[in-house]
Amino acid sequence: AQSVSQHNHHVILSEAASLELGCNYSYGGTVNLFWYVQYPGQHLQLLLKYFSGDPLVKGIKGFEAEFIKSKFSFNLRKPSVQWSDTAEYFCAVIPISWGKFQFGAGTQVVVTP
Amino acid sequence: DGGITQSPKYLFRKEGQNVTLSCEQNLNHDAMYWYRQDPGQGLRLIYYSQIVNDFQKGDIAEGYSVSREKKESFPLTVTSAQKNPTAFYLCASYGTNGYTFGSGTRLTVV
Repeated sequence: AQSVSQHNHHVILSEAASLELGCNYSYGGTVNLFWYVQYPGQHLQLLLKYFSGDPLVKGIKGFEAEFIKSKFSFNLRKPSVQWSDTAEYFCAVIPISWGKFQFGAGTQVVVTP
Repeated sequence: DGGITQSPKYLFRKEGQNVTLSCEQNLNHDAMYWYRQDPGQGLRLIYYSQIVNDFQKGDIAEGYSVSREKKESFPLTVTSAQKNPTAFYLCASYGTNGYTFGSGTRLTVV
């Protein structure tokens, strides 16, 4: 069965530190990939998405993600985090051949001043 | 403006009662989804529908039912068989312009 794995459940880091969140999926075919963010008390917001083309995707708020097909990974990165990046981050995958859109369990990121 | 409307935002029900959560979209999207969000468990897929009059079970379909009689509407019924129904429920739709999420319904069973 298709699955989406996020490696870390909780990450705590200081402002200006670099952030990398891992995401792996198990589906062998072509997929569309997404990272969403949920700030405390707010709704899900799309950070970035990959459909095809350049595997390095730039998103909003200085985030980027790299699709590595051979590793079935889509890791999210930000070179220098801010306190306002404190949120829960979700990776999501949908195979283009069928419609089961699945999320990872999420990673809670806390950025300390 | 196009979007997804979930109603109500907050819902309280007594244990043992069925309750139906509404999800309506005016985006002309074919695919619609229901997720449940619990603290520390992320979003888990309950049911999804890729086309009118067809729907598939997700990962945690037990105790839930859906219908897709119209393209715009994908209501979710939380039945009395669902052992732990208190949660935040999120509806989404997918079309050529991507995914859109509703604002969610927080269901509390007392």
